[in-house]
Amino acid sequence: GAVVSQHPSRVICKSGTSVKIECRSLDFQATTMFWYRQFPKQSLMLMATSNEGSKATYEQGVEKDKFLINHASLTLSTLTVTSAHPEDSSFYICSALTSGGNSYNEQFFGPGTRLTVL
Amino acid sequence: QQQVKQSPQSLIVQKGGISIINCAYENTAFDYFPWYQQFPGKGPALLIAIRPDVSEKKEGRFTISFNKSAKQFSLHIMDSQPGDSATYFCAASMNTGNQFYFGTGTSLTVIP
Repeated sequence: GAVVSQHPSRVICKSGTSVKIECRSLDFQATTMFWYRQFPKQSLMLMATSNEGSKATYEQGVEKDKFLINHASLTLSTLTVTSAHPEDSSFYICSALTSGGNSYNEQFFGPGTRLTVL
Repeated sequence: QQQVKQSPQSLIVQKGGISIINCAYENTAFDYFPWYQQFPGKGPALLIAIRPDVSEKKEGRFTISFNKSAKQFSLHIMDSQPGDSATYFCAASMNTGNQFYFGTGTSLTVIP
């Protein structure tokens, strides 16, 4: 299957700082990537859809100015959590969309980034 | 509104037993139904997926059963092993769109 990487795997930062998370599709090009947030023992919460070369589409309730998404190339999308606060502590997961067999879209996930804001 | 409903929330199965997780959907436009497996601290991994033109797909110990008329699909794990202990998510999507709708997840524990 297709491989998606995320960096860093975990980050601890002080309140008020900004944190950038990178998501890369390693062996395919992805026009569309997604960013999710996951709380312990809960499902995936879609934050935004990232499209290469255009502005991201944010889900209702997600602050665009706090969670900055940039999809500058077909293999890289970044999520920047600006002025992070303890309530932003969570597991952030990206995924990339690729055309699978018979032209159906398949979604492959990165390994996730554990963000802890002190 | 939850587009895909998943049950049970948690499941405990003895080693060697069959694990069954069910999902139901309303939107008949969905035409791709994947299952993902997630271990703690890791991202979900695509396990197996089915299109609506078949009623069953098997890959090793994992089988998806699909009932188009009932708008339901289920994951069966045969000969369940402790290493299968994970959270499983079902999902549905439309090939004409990019968005995937996920179930709420099932935490599976396989007891040795």
